Amino acid sequence: DGGITQSPKYLFRKEGQNVTLSCEQNLNHDAMYWYRQDPGQGLRLIYYSQIVNDFQKGDIAEGYSVSREKKESFPLTVTSAQKNPTAFYLCASLLTSGGYNEQFFGPGTRLTVL
Amino acid sequence: RKEVEQDPGPFNVPEGATVAFNCTYSNSASQSFFWYRQDCRKEPKLLMSVYSSGNEDGRFTAQLNRASQYISLLIRDSKLSDSATYLCVVNNQAGTALIFGKGTTLSVSS
Repeated sequence: DGGITQSPKYLFRKEGQNVTLSCEQNLNHDAMYWYRQDPGQGLRLIYYSQIVNDFQKGDIAEGYSVSREKKESFPLTVTSAQKNPTAFYLCASLLTSGGYNEQFFGPGTRLTVL
Repeated sequence: RKEVEQDPGPFNVPEGATVAFNCTYSNSASQSFFWYRQDCRKEPKLLMSVYSSGNEDGRFTAQLNRASQYISLLIRDSKLSDSATYLCVVNNQAGTALIFGKGTTLSVSS
């Protein structure tokens, strides 16, 4: 089955620690995205990557870092510099075909900072 | 104006009701428009794309008004299973990412 996987589903970390969230896709999509969602809020774009070895900051990139060494993988690191990291993190990839775009999401990772 | 703006609701309707959600967007150059559905504590999933001519999928009808920069979603004969948050989505100015509204929450009761 094609899709996007994120791991872990739930993650707890102590304040001051860096943590890396995994995102893998086997849809052969070039573009991948990381969003953050807080309760009662919409999705906010953290980082995105249009192609391997290239990525751009989204609206709330401070305190986060990413890498895109492989087409299939786009891990997100939440650093200790992120002041309020507790949130629901969603990874997505984008299908583009003849001007049509559709974004597919992974199941998400819930990060809680203790 | 915010990039994508929606009435957050909640909309509380009985089964069988017709309900309409509206959304406005700020980028007049946007070309791609969607409605996504998000269930509680789950990831968003595509409900339907929105085309200039309007489109219908069963009980769901989406409309686009480019002149007013306005998108709508109409749900007829609401079911309990329609209870969810509906996200209005528009592509960004560069066309490289999608911008999500905060969502409109629908609760359908028996």
